[in-house]
Amino acid sequence: DAGVTQSPTHLIKTRGQQVTLRCSPKSGHDTVSWYQQALGQGPQFIFQYYEEEERQRGNFPDRFSGHQFPNYSSELNVNALLLGDSALYLCASSHQAREAAREKLFFGSGTQLSVL
Amino acid sequence: GQNIDQPTEMTATEGAIVQINCTYQTSGFNGLFWYQQHAGEAPTFLSYNVLDGLEEKGRFSSFLSRSKGYSYLLLKELQMKDSASYLCAVRSWRMDSSYKLIFGSGTRLLVRP
Repeated sequence: DAGVTQSPTHLIKTRGQQVTLRCSPKSGHDTVSWYQQALGQGPQFIFQYYEEEERQRGNFPDRFSGHQFPNYSSELNVNALLLGDSALYLCASSHQAREAAREKLFFGSGTQLSVL
Repeated sequence: GQNIDQPTEMTATEGAIVQINCTYQTSGFNGLFWYQQHAGEAPTFLSYNVLDGLEEKGRFSSFLSRSKGYSYLLLKELQMKDSASYLCAVRSWRMDSSYKLIFGSGTRLLVRP
């Protein structure tokens, strides 16, 4: 049973370009959350998707957008890349049920994005 | 506002015990997580507390006091491989059942021989 999987592992882009990162949740999970972790900082919440809709959003500009597919997988899109978007992007999944209130959260291995 | 504080760096000796503290102020508290993160890798789950008290798991223990907004992670019998960053995170729950993790900046632990 695979856990949370993310692709690609590493990515190099230049300023102004657009990037798409992908996340497959753990089997049985239906909720996906995305986080950005800059070097030396803790992860920052970007947004959460459930039932193909964005349910909550952190303090990130509209350049950051996402999507969730019927199979619960998710994409994170970043437009007009800035140097400051260089970070580790993490995905976490869970199941939206009452039990989810006490569910442990596990992260995928992340995508390291470098913007030159 | 929502805030999580933990020390930036700590140093300890192999075989010793170290306690990493975390204080928090958040709304919709629904549990506190500790993660370990080695450089260049994703965080790995260590412990989870939602009720007051101590949770023990091998060499690692975590404590929570909700009334004080305080938690600590206790690492016993330190090993060199425990050198890593330790992240404290609070799950903040909303009425629509959505939630997010709010992380501290992490504590870099250096274990010396």
